[in-house]
Amino acid sequence: AQRVTQPEKLLSVFKGAPVELKCNYSYSGSPELFWYVQYSRQRLQLLLRHISRESIKGFTADLNKGETSFHLKKPFAQEEDSAMYYCALSVTAGGFKTIFGAGTRLFVKA
Amino acid sequence: EAQVTQNPRYLITVTGKKLTVTCSQNMNHEYMSWYRQDPGLGLRQIYYSMNVEVTDKGDVPEGYKVSRKEKRNFPLILESPSPNQTSLYFCASSLQGARRSGKLFFGSGTQLSVL
Repeated sequence: AQRVTQPEKLLSVFKGAPVELKCNYSYSGSPELFWYVQYSRQRLQLLLRHISRESIKGFTADLNKGETSFHLKKPFAQEEDSAMYYCALSVTAGGFKTIFGAGTRLFVKA
Repeated sequence: EAQVTQNPRYLITVTGKKLTVTCSQNMNHEYMSWYRQDPGLGLRQIYYSMNVEVTDKGDVPEGYKVSRKEKRNFPLILESPSPNQTSLYFCASSLQGARRSGKLFFGSGTQLSVL
């Protein structure tokens, strides 16, 4: 079965510290992975996707098929990074679906 | 402004009283989808639509109906709401069409409480 696991519900770091939000997936096909972010009082929005291999707001994420992971990283966290982060997997098995993890709330302390 | 619009933002109802949550997008997107968000469970897909008159079940479709008569609208219908449908609902759309790697655009959410 397809599944996305985000093991940390809450992650708290100090400003300037590195941050890594973990995401593991389960999917037998070729995965397409995304990170979505929800800032306070804003709608959920795309942060980045693995096919683009881009860096957005200093965040990067590398797909590791061997470890079935797609961890989100930033070398120096900022207070404005505080938000809810969701890892998502797009699959075509049984229809076109996007499967979300339970989310990780990142809190960056001053 | 390109966006997905959901209405209402908040809704309190009673068990068994039919309700509809509307969703509209102005981006000419082919793909639209409904999710519910519950604490500790993230977003779970209820129904999705690949195009007009094409809908399919997601992971938690029980108790919900949808229709896609026009490209821009994708209403979510609860024929007989029950308390376990109390949740935060999100509508989303994507240009993807036949391509699965589509960026999802989300509405602002509808907080539903069923008493």
